[in-house]
Amino acid sequence: DAGVTQSPTHLIKTRGQQVTLRCSPKSGHDTVSWYQQALGQGPQFIFQYYEEEERQRGNFPDRFSGHQFPNYSSELNVNALLLGDSALYLCASSFRGDYEQYFGPGTRLTVT
Amino acid sequence: QKEVEQNSGPLSVPEGAIASLNCTYSDRGSQSFFWYRQYSGKSPELIMFIYSNGDKEDGRFTAQLNKASQYVSLLIRDSQPSDSATYLCAVEYAGNNRKLIWGLGTSLAVNP
Repeated sequence: DAGVTQSPTHLIKTRGQQVTLRCSPKSGHDTVSWYQQALGQGPQFIFQYYEEEERQRGNFPDRFSGHQFPNYSSELNVNALLLGDSALYLCASSFRGDYEQYFGPGTRLTVT
Repeated sequence: QKEVEQNSGPLSVPEGAIASLNCTYSDRGSQSFFWYRQYSGKSPELIMFIYSNGDKEDGRFTAQLNKASQYVSLLIRDSQPSDSATYLCAVEYAGNNRKLIWGLGTSLAVNP
């Protein structure tokens, strides 16, 4: 049973650049949620995708956008990167928008 | 008042002891409660969820929920050094804006 996968594992970008992170949900799941986790903090909810639509959104600026594909995989896009965007980006999948979520290994983004 | 509060720790217990982790929440409309374990540099791993008042046991782990007092706890029996990690509490708020709120986590150290 395939778990949640994310790519890339690590990424280094420069301020002002754009980045795309990818996530494939656990087999049987149709909902993807994205989180940002800074060092020493709990995960901060960015948004959730279900049925290819953004269903909920946390307190993140419009620079953060996403997409869900018909196969339930998802992308997170961040434009005009800031130093403060450096964090671990986590993808979690679940079924029908449920919050019993399973996390992928994360993408460590460093903005210089 | 923070919506979900946890003692940051570190909580230190000897190997074989019972570790008790606590979480309080502010919204009485909360529906579901989750405990995640996160090792340093890794993503959160779901270990327990509980929806109803009382105790729920799974192996060495017991989740306890008291909605009247607005707290949820996690007990780890026969603690092992491999249990050393940060334990995150997450609470699902129902209503028009259904969302999952995370605590900052409690660091647990199990000493051999």
